[in-house]
Amino acid sequence: EDKVVQSPLSLVVHEGDTVTLNCSYEVTNFRSLLWYKQEKKAPTFLFMLTSSGIEKKSGRLSSILDKKELSSILNITATQTGDSAIYLCAVISWGKLQFGAGTQVVVTP
Amino acid sequence: DGGITQSPKYLFRKEGQNVTLSCEQNLNHDAMYWYRQDPGQGLRLIYYSQIVNDFQKGDIAEGYSVSREKKESFPLTVTSAQKNPTAFYLCASSHQVGPDSPLHFGNGTRLTVT
Repeated sequence: EDKVVQSPLSLVVHEGDTVTLNCSYEVTNFRSLLWYKQEKKAPTFLFMLTSSGIEKKSGRLSSILDKKELSSILNITATQTGDSAIYLCAVISWGKLQFGAGTQVVVTP
Repeated sequence: DGGITQSPKYLFRKEGQNVTLSCEQNLNHDAMYWYRQDPGQGLRLIYYSQIVNDFQKGDIAEGYSVSREKKESFPLTVTSAQKNPTAFYLCASSHQVGPDSPLHFGNGTRLTVT
């Protein structure tokens, strides 16, 4: 059975800290891995990773895929309270997205 | 402004009643999806549609039905057969079903059935 597992399930950090979120997967016919940020409502797209070892960056956020380890990490540096959200990892397999349970990040002032 | 509109934001129903959630997009996307989100669980796929007048069951289709009569619209009906309907429902669309098309999500409908 296909699985996408995120860890930790939740964490609380102080503003300015660096956060590393993990996503591991076991799926047949892997195509891509995506990261989304969900604040109150609609998840918003962050990154799509298809090739191993190539880091994608957007401001203070970055992500990398390791196909050998079947995993990805999402890093957030110099966290701000606006980074508080649920971060969702999803894997595309057979044309469909399979989501992990998400990591809830709370950034305190 | 292009986007996906879900309505209503909040919906309350009594057990045994069918209820329809609306999803409209003006992004000219071919593919549309319905997901269900429960606390502590990831988004789970209910139904998806790649093209007008065609749709496929996702992982948890039992107790739900959909239609895709227009490209812009993909309503979801939660029937009385759905055993545990209280949840947050998210509609999404993408240019096409496939690895190069990230999903764009609506703001969701929170359904409470008592």
